[in-house]
Amino acid sequence: DAGVIQSPRHEVTEMGQEVTLRCKPISGHDYLFWYRQTMMRGLELLIYFNNNVPIDDSGMPEDRFSAKMPNASFSTLKIQPSEPRDSAVYFCASSTVGDYGYTFGSGTRLTVV
Amino acid sequence: AQKVTQAQTEISVVEKEDVTLDCVYETRDTTYYLFWYKQPPSGELVFLIRRNSFDEQNEISGRYSWNFQKSTSSFNFTITASQVVDSAVYFCALRPGGYQKVTFGTGTKLQVIP
Repeated sequence: DAGVIQSPRHEVTEMGQEVTLRCKPISGHDYLFWYRQTMMRGLELLIYFNNNVPIDDSGMPEDRFSAKMPNASFSTLKIQPSEPRDSAVYFCASSTVGDYGYTFGSGTRLTVV
Repeated sequence: AQKVTQAQTEISVVEKEDVTLDCVYETRDTTYYLFWYKQPPSGELVFLIRRNSFDEQNEISGRYSWNFQKSTSSFNFTITASQVVDSAVYFCALRPGGYQKVTFGTGTKLQVIP
């Protein structure tokens, strides 16, 4: 298995632009998580899905952030409009019931200038 | 509410020294899982171990060992004979049983000096 695949690896965008981060979970995993990592706040759970349905989005910072999972093999995290304080590494992870732990993707390093 | 505390922000050791990374957790759940993850300088997050709340046996895997003590709500991680490749940020994490949301500690940055 190729693991959790995230794209792009790096994204630099200007303030005010829309940014879309993509994630392909491991096949057969029914949970998908989006985390954000910053120096100040560490690893924060933004949202997670079970069987493509959002279960807990309490970590989504504000309405500028939205996430979708249209099918079992694809999820997006969108920021519109982006702001410099959104600069962070965004991780996607997947798991399944009984799994030992999350499998994380390589992350997307987002820089908003 | 779940909470994971890693009081050590940064640790530096000389190669071949042993080092222990501390982790203290808080939860009201009787069933829960504890994890350690490694984040090397390349940035990916690598799963190291999972422990469930009913299993207090210590575990050893090569140079790595984990000490789980429910009485003190601690799940400490020891690296024996540290190597430069162990340099990374290590995260302790907690997940309540029957629920998939994992709470991470703030991480301990370990630097192993040659």
